[in-house]
Amino acid sequence: AQKVTQAQTEISVVEKEDVTLDCVYETRDTTYYLFWYKQPPSGELVFLIRRNSFDEQNEISGRYSWNFQKSTSSFNFTITASQVVDSAVYFCALTLYSSYKLIFGSGTRLLVRP
Amino acid sequence: DAGVIQSPRHEVTEMGQEVTLRCKPISGHDYLFWYRQTMMRGLELLIYFNNNVPIDDSGMPEDRFSAKMPNASFSTLKIQPSEPRDSAVYFCASSHGRQTTDTQYFGPGTRLTVL
Repeated sequence: AQKVTQAQTEISVVEKEDVTLDCVYETRDTTYYLFWYKQPPSGELVFLIRRNSFDEQNEISGRYSWNFQKSTSSFNFTITASQVVDSAVYFCALTLYSSYKLIFGSGTRLLVRP
Repeated sequence: DAGVIQSPRHEVTEMGQEVTLRCKPISGHDYLFWYRQTMMRGLELLIYFNNNVPIDDSGMPEDRFSAKMPNASFSTLKIQPSEPRDSAVYFCASSHGRQTTDTQYFGPGTRLTVL
C-alpha cells in the first residue's frame, strides 16, 4: 500500500527564518511522482512542484527548495527567509505511474509570524 | 488561461436536501477528478473521468453520491439526500492525462455545510 506521512502537524516561525517541511512516503513501485501543494487561508490548492522517482536532483525556485532522497524515501521542502505570505497548509502527495490517484499526506500547517 | 472553475463556492443546506456541485475543467484537459477534504479523513479521491467517462468511482462513499460529466467542459457531483456528515470542502481537479503522473490542477473548492 502507498502512504504519505507528514509528521509535523504545525510549525510556527518568525519571519525571515528558514523552515523545512518533512515528507516521507511509502511505495513498492519503482516509478512514481511526488508533489507539493500549498493551501493558503483562502482555501484553494496551489501546485508547487512535481518530481519523478528517477530524478533525485534537488530543485530550487526562488526561496523554495526541495530535497528528494530515495534512500530515506523523503521529499522535504525548505522555505528560505520565510514571509508572512508563506503561512498556509502544505501537502505532500504521491502518485504511481500505474494510477491517476493522488495520495495526500495529512498536511503541515505553517504559521509565519511577523 | 482560466483555471478550474467550481460553483458554488459555499453551500449551506439542510439535511435531506439535494445538493449539486459544479465544475468546469481547464480547456484541453482530458481528466477530471473530484476530491473531498475533511478534518478526519484529509483529502481523498471520490471519482475521476477520462474523456467524460467515469473510470474509477471506488472512492464514492455511498449511493447518495453521484457524478456526471455530460461534456468535456462540465461535471457535476450530486448528493441526494444530504446528511450532516457530508459537510466538507469538495475540490474538482483536471489534468492533461497523457500520463498518469501529469499534474492535477485544482479548483477553489466548494465548502458544503449540511445542517
